[in-house]
Amino acid sequence: EVQLLESGGGLVQPGGSLRLSCAASGFTFSNYAMSWVRQAPGKGLEWVSLIYSGGRSTSYADSVKGRFTISRDNSWNTLYLQMNSLRAEDTAVYYCVKFGQQLDIYNWFDPWGQGTLVTVSS
Amino acid sequence: QSVLTQPPSVSGAPGQRVTISCTGSNFNIGAGYGVHWYQQLPGTTPKLLIYVNNNRPSGVPERFSASKSGTSASLVITGLQAADEADYYCQSYDSSLSGSIFGGGTKLTVL
Repeated sequence: EVQLLESGGGLVQPGGSLRLSCAASGFTFSNYAMSWVRQAPGKGLEWVSLIYSGGRSTSYADSVKGRFTISRDNSWNTLYLQMNSLRAEDTAVYYCVKFGQQLDIYNWFDPWGQGTLVTVSS
Repeated sequence: QSVLTQPPSVSGAPGQRVTISCTGSNFNIGAGYGVHWYQQLPGTTPKLLIYVNNNRPSGVPERFSASKSGTSASLVITGLQAADEADYYCQSYDSSLSGSIFGGGTKLTVL
């Protein structure tokens, strides 16, 4: 069974940093691109970032570009999201998601992790 | 404002049929990228409902179907049930943004 388990969320002050982790299991992690998707309280889904299967190529939403860094460790089957210069508008549940097909960045997300809540507030 | 446009809400009585639209542009749906749909029941994680325009993962009832034409797509739910009350999101890839995009979500109310 494919499982994605996020951790690292919490309360942080504006301007602060946080690092999210996502432990993956049940599939060949190194064969799949991965992504982070967030959902602000009471709002819709927003794609945040993606990383190719090998980890060398990444892409970011304009709202986080220059502040967030996605990375992965294929030896440890773990995805990361380093979040710096956090703002109140970054408050959201952050989901770790796997692309539905190997070596693909254009298609669907399945499954989704349970999410980890990040709250940016003073 | 989302790159993909969905109606904020739709409603229907049990047993009826409802349609949720998803409108994009020539950078995403119109460029030939697949459209995917997710169901988010209250207080839960989004779940894949339809992938690549009109494919259902195992376990998703045939009552859920979708289509795509030009720069738009639609999700159709027939035989509405109370358990279908949820938020529905469309998703695709956008070449101008080099990443995935979501619709703003549509809240389905079963009357």
